[in-house]
Amino acid sequence: QSALTQPASVSGSPGQSIIISCTGTSSDVGGYDYVSWYQQHPGKAPKLMIYDVSNRPSGVSNRFSGSKSGNTASLTISGLQAEDEADYYCSSYTSSSTPVFGGGTKVTVL
Amino acid sequence: QVQLVESGGGVVQPGRSLRLSCAASGFTFSSYDMYWVRQAPGKGLEWMSVIWYDGSNKFYADSVKGRFTISRDNSENTLYLQMNSLRVEDTAVYYCARLRTGTTFYFDNWGQGTLVTVSS
Repeated sequence: QSALTQPASVSGSPGQSIIISCTGTSSDVGGYDYVSWYQQHPGKAPKLMIYDVSNRPSGVSNRFSGSKSGNTASLTISGLQAEDEADYYCSSYTSSSTPVFGGGTKVTVL
Repeated sequence: QVQLVESGGGVVQPGRSLRLSCAASGFTFSSYDMYWVRQAPGKGLEWMSVIWYDGSNKFYADSVKGRFTISRDNSENTLYLQMNSLRVEDTAVYYCARLRTGTTFYFDNWGQGTLVTVSS
């Protein structure tokens, strides 16, 4: 199972919106509504931000939203803040009944 | 609250063994499938192994199949990863993660990770 494809980096100014894409295949992203997103600050564990494509866990800011079209999922961060600077990973359930992760996207707040 | 605490990492020579532990608390451990996920330095996340809630099924990534063994002790609320024949490329932070499944599939809680360094 190949890793999902994410851009290596995305940047934006405070207050702006950014979108991180996550491209897979019909055997993972396109085949199931089980895409999740994780935020990871340096030296810290991943933190769940979005599950099942567009659901936010309790406690996660509503500035984070998720969507999916075909084989590509997206994470949108609105009203970008300094604390959003981190690495973001997408993940999807696969036809092998195991997860696959994206390569990660470094978000920089300018 | 849910807590997952890994331990057992360290520096080990190639070919040697190491056993990682993940102590769980704050939830009914025996009700959840559990994963080991690793992250090599500067790299992304990679799932290593999964064990079903009752230990009845175990699966491994191809990169560790035959070398790593996952197990759990539900009476002690602890997850294990026995790593044998370690290679330099196994150097990574190893996380245990709780899986939410059923009509969904995501990791809702992660441990803080334990660093394994394989080096001569």
